[in-house]
Amino acid sequence: KAGVTQTPRYLIKTRGQQVTLSCSPISGHRSVSWYQQTPGQGLQFLFEYFSETQRNKGNFPGRFSGRQFSNSRSEMNVSTLELGDSALYLCASSGRDRGFEAFFGQGTRLTVV
Amino acid sequence: LAKTTQPISMDSYEGQEVNITCSHNNIATNDYITWYQQFPSQGPRFIIQGYKTKVTNEVASLFIPADRKSSTLSLPRVSLSDTAVYYCLVGGMEYGNKLVFGAGTILRVKS
Repeated sequence: KAGVTQTPRYLIKTRGQQVTLSCSPISGHRSVSWYQQTPGQGLQFLFEYFSETQRNKGNFPGRFSGRQFSNSRSEMNVSTLELGDSALYLCASSGRDRGFEAFFGQGTRLTVV
Repeated sequence: LAKTTQPISMDSYEGQEVNITCSHNNIATNDYITWYQQFPSQGPRFIIQGYKTKVTNEVASLFIPADRKSSTLSLPRVSLSDTAVYYCLVGGMEYGNKLVFGAGTILRVKS
């Protein structure tokens, strides 16, 4: 069974630009969550999608948005990039409605210059 | 979600058993205890989950005392490849998959 796939693995963007990250969950998993990891703030929850609907949302500004498609693939968008958005962005999928058992991808390393 | 407290870091040597304790004094009745492992520049990996007493799988054991206010992740005979950050999470019965990670414990295994 293929794991969670995130693309691209690495990305360099300029301040003010926007970026879209992609996540393909494990086949059959309908829950997809996104996390941001930085050395200063650690792992922080961004949002969760389930059956194309945002089900949970973390404390991030509106520049961070996401969506999920009917095949459960998900995208995350960050607009008007700031230097502080440089981070490892992780996607996780789960086959359960709850329970804290999630499967993470390798992440996308975003660098904003 | 219950707050957790773990040691910031631990050192061990290859072949030793490592025990990482997590305190969660305000754990709710229906909360589960879950541990994740993370290597540098990779996503966290689910290790083990339990509710009470002891749970064992091929990777680790999880010991939970009767009052459930703490838990101990036990890694038998660690190797250099077990060097990673270990996170303790408490909760899980809320609807949805929103994982709240603390700072975790940096485990360094030396030869």
